[in-house]
Amino acid sequence: KNEVEQSPQNLTAQEGEFITINCSYSVGISALHWLQQHPGGGIVSLFMLSSGKKKHGRLIATINIQEKHSSLHITASHPRDSAVYICAADNYGQNFVFGPGTRLSVLP
Amino acid sequence: DARVTQTPRHKVTEMGQEVTMRCQPILGHNTVFWYRQTMMQGLELLAYFRNRAPLDDSGMPKDRFSAEMPDATLATLKIQPSEPRDSAVYFCASGLVLPAMLFGQGTRLTVV
Repeated sequence: KNEVEQSPQNLTAQEGEFITINCSYSVGISALHWLQQHPGGGIVSLFMLSSGKKKHGRLIATINIQEKHSSLHITASHPRDSAVYICAADNYGQNFVFGPGTRLSVLP
Repeated sequence: DARVTQTPRHKVTEMGQEVTMRCQPILGHNTVFWYRQTMMQGLELLAYFRNRAPLDDSGMPKDRFSAEMPDATLATLKIQPSEPRDSAVYFCASGLVLPAMLFGQGTRLTVV
């Protein structure tokens, strides 16, 4: 069993749809990161969460420490949101364990 | 815009050769990470530095990989000798206050 799992693996949505990507982890963490990797390969750090919820534009990330689960939501999805979304468990900066990624395609 | 610069962007080398990848972090950032991405393993953390001191390199095969920060403007990742299984995209990222890591564009390494 992988220490960090994501679902779904692949997701295709129509423009405007509400999207949820899930991440569950079995390791102890101090924080959970969400990263976005563009089709060209570039990676952007979206959020770091240790509790509760964070919002940035149309992106919302939540985490439930007790359940060891985090979700990334995208409201009013757009084709430019098409990317691979990766969650990473951070053990106080000492160790990062990455999820396998969720490939999102948003169709116009 | 400030950006993390990695060189070279692409490298093809023969098995057994030394490979050096360079990263110029954002000026003022005190944390530098090296990651490797392959199709099979996804993203893996190889090593990271804070204030130029290596904090963790447990993800790195020590017998052939070495990471250094000779000064605050340069981080290097060396592989000697390189092997075909080292073929991957190597990313450098820098940050000051996490999570604001900024990633470089990566170095695509192919070892034949």
